[in-house]
Amino acid sequence: ILNVEQSPQSLHVQEGDSTNFTCSFPSSNFYALHWYRWETAKSPEALFVMTLNGDEKKKGRISATLNTKEGYSYLYIKGSQPEDSATYLCAFGAGGTSYGKLTFGQGTILTVHP
Amino acid sequence: NAGVTQTPKFRVLKTGQSMTLLCAQDMNHEYMYWYRQDPGMGLRLIHYSVGEGTTAKGEVPDGYNVSRLKKQNFLLGLESAAPSQTSVYFCASSSTGQEIFYGYTFGSGTRLTVV
Repeated sequence: ILNVEQSPQSLHVQEGDSTNFTCSFPSSNFYALHWYRWETAKSPEALFVMTLNGDEKKKGRISATLNTKEGYSYLYIKGSQPEDSATYLCAFGAGGTSYGKLTFGQGTILTVHP
Repeated sequence: NAGVTQTPKFRVLKTGQSMTLLCAQDMNHEYMYWYRQDPGMGLRLIHYSVGEGTTAKGEVPDGYNVSRLKKQNFLLGLESAAPSQTSVYFCASSSTGQEIFYGYTFGSGTRLTVV
């Protein structure tokens, strides 16, 4: 069983604050690292998929970085808004015989207070 | 709308009863997955399929069976439900090779309670 850890488990910030969370994953047999946003009562939606060491992705105020050699990824949200409140999941994709499967972390629950 | 459709959305079963959860996708995706989501546990892979007629075990397969007779459908069966199978079940799909760019597409979930 692969170990994918996310920290912190939950986070409360004020509107306008910038924040970041961490995803740790195995540094061997890396294939891809996914980030998903999961709003209450909805399905997870893909934010980013990263495959190369040093990858940086950006979508509006949200960005992510990837370090495959040390096995971590950061998700950044600049100027948080109440609509950013959600659970953010990362998922690790291994290569070889595990290709196509993702192992998810437990998620970081973000609450942005107006 | 294109996507992944799960039925039913809610179900209450008595211990020992059986049921089948249906997942249907209209995106011509090769890969399909069943996950369960429990508080504090995250999403855990039950079974998955890499193409029509194929299935494989995931992290927590015990007590479940699956079938992929048609490319667009992936069925999850509980032969004899147990309270430990109370959970929210999510189906997802992805396209071979493209999942590295687009990620998984998830269904809306099935909330199952076994009493």
